[in-house]
Amino acid sequence: AQTVTQSQPEMSVQEAETVTLSCTYDTSENNYYLFWYKQPPSRQMILVIRQEAYKQQNATENRFSVNFQKAAKSFSLKISDSQLGDTAMYFCAFIPNNNDMRFGAGTRLTVKP
Amino acid sequence: DTGVSQDPRHKITKRGQNVTFRCDPISEHNRLYWYRQTLGQGPEFLTYFQNEAQLEKSRLLSDRFSAERPKGSFSTLEIQRTEQGDSAMYLCASSKTTGRDEQYFGPGTRLTVT
Repeated sequence: AQTVTQSQPEMSVQEAETVTLSCTYDTSENNYYLFWYKQPPSRQMILVIRQEAYKQQNATENRFSVNFQKAAKSFSLKISDSQLGDTAMYFCAFIPNNNDMRFGAGTRLTVKP
Repeated sequence: DTGVSQDPRHKITKRGQNVTFRCDPISEHNRLYWYRQTLGQGPEFLTYFQNEAQLEKSRLLSDRFSAERPKGSFSTLEIQRTEQGDSAMYLCASSKTTGRDEQYFGPGTRLTVT
């Protein structure tokens, strides 16, 4: 089965601190794409960061970076200098082929002032 | 470019009724996806279109569900004989060409079946 597991249903972090959200996935594919999406309360889902599995270098987007461990099938998201606006549900997702995207159950992140 | 839009945003219906949702993707996007999201869960893939062709359907898409994208632009998702288990948020997303392109999501249609 091609699945995504997010083992942390909820997390909290103090403003300006760093937090890491975990994600593992299961696939027999060698080439695939990984994503982190953010869903703020009552707002649309937006892409935070993406990673191509064939690239060894970890992707970064400003305060957001990933730790991609292909052998371990792990794809964690690190948020540095957390801001109140980072409060949201975060979904890890991957595309094991060219078609459908598989999502994890999500991690609810709360940034505390 | 106003992004992906969905209509209606909320729908309350009685069990057994039919409902239809509409999705308008970003204009130059060839791919259009439908997902279902229940409370506390991530989105679950339902189906996707490449232009007007429906290329894949999930096992979640029972015979009561049908989706169309007749001119390769907007899409509709119809649920016939709704059941309480159909209550969920129905999300639409679009992407440029391939499944590996970033998907842009709409605000969703929240369906409540009473």
